[in-house]
Amino acid sequence: GNSVTQMEGPVTLSEEAFLTINCTYTATGYPSLFWYVQYPGEGLQLLLKATKADDKGSNKGFEATYRKETTSFHLEKGSVQVSDSAVYFCALSDLRGNKLVFGAGTILRVKS
Amino acid sequence: EAQVTQNPRYLITVTGKKLTVTCSQNMNHEYMSWYRQDPGLGLRQIYYSMNVEVTDKGDVPEGYKVSRKEKRNFPLILESPSPNQTSLYFCASFGSGIGTDTQYFGPGTRLTVL
Repeated sequence: GNSVTQMEGPVTLSEEAFLTINCTYTATGYPSLFWYVQYPGEGLQLLLKATKADDKGSNKGFEATYRKETTSFHLEKGSVQVSDSAVYFCALSDLRGNKLVFGAGTILRVKS
Repeated sequence: EAQVTQNPRYLITVTGKKLTVTCSQNMNHEYMSWYRQDPGLGLRQIYYSMNVEVTDKGDVPEGYKVSRKEKRNFPLILESPSPNQTSLYFCASFGSGIGTDTQYFGPGTRLTVL
């Protein structure tokens, strides 16, 4: 079945550091890929998405590129801020679109 | 403002006492879904609904029921809660069943079953 694997956290960075959170997936066909973010005490909100191979999703300085050859969708940001502290979830949606399959989530802590 | 609301946000109950968690969306979405979030496991789908009176099981449906009598509402029912259902629950809605669609999540309901 479909699955998503994320790097384990927590990840602790200093402000303005470079961020990478690794995400790889296993799926039949060509799923859509998503990054969701969960701020403390809140629900999940979409950060970015990519719906086909080589697409790059971007939002709020975060980027991720859909790499079919390596089945990856790594999240990157050039300079993190304290306000980026949150839990980040990588997810895929299969062709039926009825559900999202999530990774375990990665806690990011940014220190000033 | 487009939103998904859930109630209650926090609930502590005892084993076997029936409870309902409500979910409502104001985006006229056809699709709605329930997930549970557990540490180290991410979110897993419990049930989903494709339209009024149309529901289907997700990956972890045991011990849960749902109903979809109106388009905007999708309550989650635990008829006899057990401690292994202690979790953080999220309702989500989305406009179409295609894989590219964005799902919109509610704020979550933290349930503790003693």
